[in-house]
Amino acid sequence: GAGVSQSPSNKVTEKGKDVELRCDPISGHTALYWYRQSLGQGLEFLIYFQGNSAPDKSGLPSDRFSAERTGGSVSTLTIQRTQQEDSAVYLCASSWGRTTEAFFGQGTRLTVV
Amino acid sequence: QKEVEQNSGPLSVPEGAIASLNCTYSDRGSQSFFWYRQYSGKSPELIMFIYSNGDKEDGRFTAQLNKASQYVSLLIRDSQPSDSATYLCAVSKNRGSTLGRLYFGRGTQLTVWP
Repeated sequence: GAGVSQSPSNKVTEKGKDVELRCDPISGHTALYWYRQSLGQGLEFLIYFQGNSAPDKSGLPSDRFSAERTGGSVSTLTIQRTQQEDSAVYLCASSWGRTTEAFFGQGTRLTVV
Repeated sequence: QKEVEQNSGPLSVPEGAIASLNCTYSDRGSQSFFWYRQYSGKSPELIMFIYSNGDKEDGRFTAQLNKASQYVSLLIRDSQPSDSATYLCAVSKNRGSTLGRLYFGRGTQLTVWP
């Protein structure tokens, strides 16, 4: 596609429910990042995928968070048993790996009520 | 100590002035340095990257890197109201084939008033 696509744009969920957030990177991009941004805060790293290498999961805040990347393309971030502190904008970015530029999607705004 | 530190601001400059945004990083081995601009309610967009010590200019923007001081800055000349945004500094410990994790500062909010 023309850019990084994330879905849904907005998600409201009840505390305790599971949610899945999707990221469709730019075609051919081998690197994919997930970050989250709480209101007025900086970007918090969650996870990084690079090709077929083991992902860097060091930023996942708890075992309720997991992510996968199927076929080296689409990625899904799953949050189980959501909590109110999970409310944030979840941003996905991709890059070719060999270039310097990481392109961000428009984000998914998650609200846990 | 945070990996990347920025003054949160807000920084307020008049139209036409030079805006100076600063960033320090903790890992002396860091290799790649980026400035992203984020408008309110929007995603970050890359505006500059720099690898080597010295200055790099692109239009009204100049990135400056001093690895000895672990300091990177962004100068915006002839500031315009449309430059009003939050500027995020990002650092990678890698360079070239795989960037790896990008470490972001919390951003500096810039306001350019007419």
